[in-house]
Amino acid sequence: KAGVTQTPRYLIKTRGQQVTLSCSPISGHRSVSWYQQTPGQGLQFLFEYFSETQRNKGNFPGRFSGRQFSNSRSEMNVSTLELGDSALYLCASSTGQGAAEAFFGQGTRLTVV
Amino acid sequence: EDQVTQSPEALRLQEGESSSLNCSYTVSGLRGLFWYRQDPGKGPEFLFTLYSAGEEKEKERLKATLTKKESFLHITAPKPEDSATYLCAVPFTGGGNKLTFGTGTQLKVEL
Repeated sequence: KAGVTQTPRYLIKTRGQQVTLSCSPISGHRSVSWYQQTPGQGLQFLFEYFSETQRNKGNFPGRFSGRQFSNSRSEMNVSTLELGDSALYLCASSTGQGAAEAFFGQGTRLTVV
Repeated sequence: EDQVTQSPEALRLQEGESSSLNCSYTVSGLRGLFWYRQDPGKGPEFLFTLYSAGEEKEKERLKATLTKKESFLHITAPKPEDSATYLCAVPFTGGGNKLTFGTGTQLKVEL
């Protein structure tokens, strides 16, 4: 059974640009969550999508947005990149039922220069 | 607001030296508690789910336990390959799969 796939694995962008990251969840999973991980803040929740609807949202500015498609694949977008957006962005896949465990992808390492 | 605190921040053990990691939590209604292992530059790897006080789960040298206020990850006779950061997390009390993570315990096991 294939795991969670995130693309790309590495990305270098310039301040002010925008970026789109992609996540393909485990087959059959309908919930996709996104997290930002930095050495100083640890793992911070961005948002969760379930059946194409945003179900939960973290405390991030509106520059961070996401969406989910009918096949459960998800994308997150960051506009007007800032140096502080440099981080490991992780996607987690879950069945979405109750408090089911979440399985993470390998992440996308974003560097903003 | 859900809160999770892990201790110690870092732990250095000799191979075979057993120890425990702590995860204390504050939630209005516990829906579960998860343990993950994370290697540098990789995504967290799921280890255990605990749902109620008194529950225990085991996997190889690891055993996770849960009380009403905290969880412990016991590591018995660790090996160097157990070196990693161990994270615990709780799902949002309000529903869904939003997780609140602790800052983790960085474990180093030496020969």
